[in-house]
Amino acid sequence: DQQVKQNSPSLSVQEGRISILNCDYTNSMFDYFLWYKKYPAEGPTFLISISSIKDKNEDGRFTVFLNKSAKHLSLHIVPSQPGDSAVYFCAASGSRGSGTYKYIFGTGTRLKVLA
Amino acid sequence: GAGVSQTPSNKVTEKGKYVELRCDPISGHTALYWYRQSLGQGPEFLIYFQGTGAADDSGLPNDRFFAVRPEGSVSTLKIQRTERGDSAVYLCASSLKGGGPHNEQFFGPGTRLTVL
Repeated sequence: DQQVKQNSPSLSVQEGRISILNCDYTNSMFDYFLWYKKYPAEGPTFLISISSIKDKNEDGRFTVFLNKSAKHLSLHIVPSQPGDSAVYFCAASGSRGSGTYKYIFGTGTRLKVLA
Repeated sequence: GAGVSQTPSNKVTEKGKYVELRCDPISGHTALYWYRQSLGQGPEFLIYFQGTGAADDSGLPNDRFFAVRPEGSVSTLKIQRTERGDSAVYLCASSLKGGGPHNEQFFGPGTRLTVL
């Protein structure tokens, strides 16, 4: 049972345009969400996060939106650059009261930014 | 830089053999995590250490898998009687302390394990 889902395995966007990556989750106990970026042969690199008490967090070209009622989050990259081409993983954590801080990851979306 | 390091980067072994995978976390990070990533999937949690103790080992698939962190720094993931289905990239991550905002996990490059 996949608790974190990324339904788009791939996405292509023109350089300079907006990239929107989506993620859905099923567990209402998740209280912290993150996006990681992964290049081939490297480990995932932290990109941006959001706590469940917020609905938006922005860091430069990257913005994450959280819709708790829909159990949906999205990552917006604007403007997209060729160096953004990578696999993006959505992750969720339900640390509140559980004593564990493991991340549950989605299956990833491969973003290709075309020059 | 002083990131998370993992050795070896690649390990090829035969079915039934024993393997050890090593992780050196970022200095000062008390929390350490092991994940496994199979082809086309996201990382899947295996075990979480807080200091020397395993705080959550609920992701270990069976008793062939074991991990230690005896001095609260370096960790070793041990797999006995390897099977072909164990082939994956094994990722290690560390964070300053367990969980929540501003304690994001930093990942190493992974060890690619291939069981023939």
